[in-house]
Amino acid sequence: GQSLEQPSEVTAVEGAIVQINCTYQTSGFYGLSWYQQHDGGAPTFLSYNGLDGLEETGRFSSFLSRSDSYGYLLLQELQMKDSASYFCALDLSGGYNKLIFGAGTRLAVHP
Amino acid sequence: GAGVSQTPSNKVTEKGKYVELRCDPISGHTALYWYRQSLGQGPEFLIYFQGTGAADDSGLPNDRFFAVRPEGSVSTLKIQRTERGDSAVYLCASSLGGGASNNEQFFGPGTRLTVL
Repeated sequence: GQSLEQPSEVTAVEGAIVQINCTYQTSGFYGLSWYQQHDGGAPTFLSYNGLDGLEETGRFSSFLSRSDSYGYLLLQELQMKDSASYFCALDLSGGYNKLIFGAGTRLAVHP
Repeated sequence: GAGVSQTPSNKVTEKGKYVELRCDPISGHTALYWYRQSLGQGPEFLIYFQGTGAADDSGLPNDRFFAVRPEGSVSTLKIQRTERGDSAVYLCASSLGGGASNNEQFFGPGTRLTVL
């Protein structure tokens, strides 16, 4: 089976940088995705790492290290609207995009 | 353009009843997924369609759950003899399919199912 672990909650102040870690166990996978979900809203795609290393998309960056079974999402210049839950998800695709999600990290951004 | 839509947004039913949840994916998306999300948890994969066929139904919890996508567009998730443990938000997602390189799935707002 597969499992992912994320911190349940993270708190940060506006303008700061925060890193949300994700460790996983799986026998094989194609990549690691990150999704954001505001309370009562739909998950929205943030980033995908198919290869080891850093992917940068605006204020958000994501990192994957297969040898360490570890990834992280880095959020810079935090804004109040970044308060949400963040999920890492293993892509087990093999040709399609079956995602196995972690339990999520709730980020609270304070002024 | 229009995103993924799901109806109803909320469904309250009694234990033992039958329910149908509908998903309208983004036009042109061949891949469609159903997930279930309980409070404080991540989405849990249920089933994946590529076109009209269920390519992977390994996440369906038991034979009370069934999903169809007869014309390769709209999908219906059907739950028979509902149980209180079925209460959750049911999410639908769609993607371009064919192993889109960035793995982006577009999620609908979900149907909140409450079984009394």
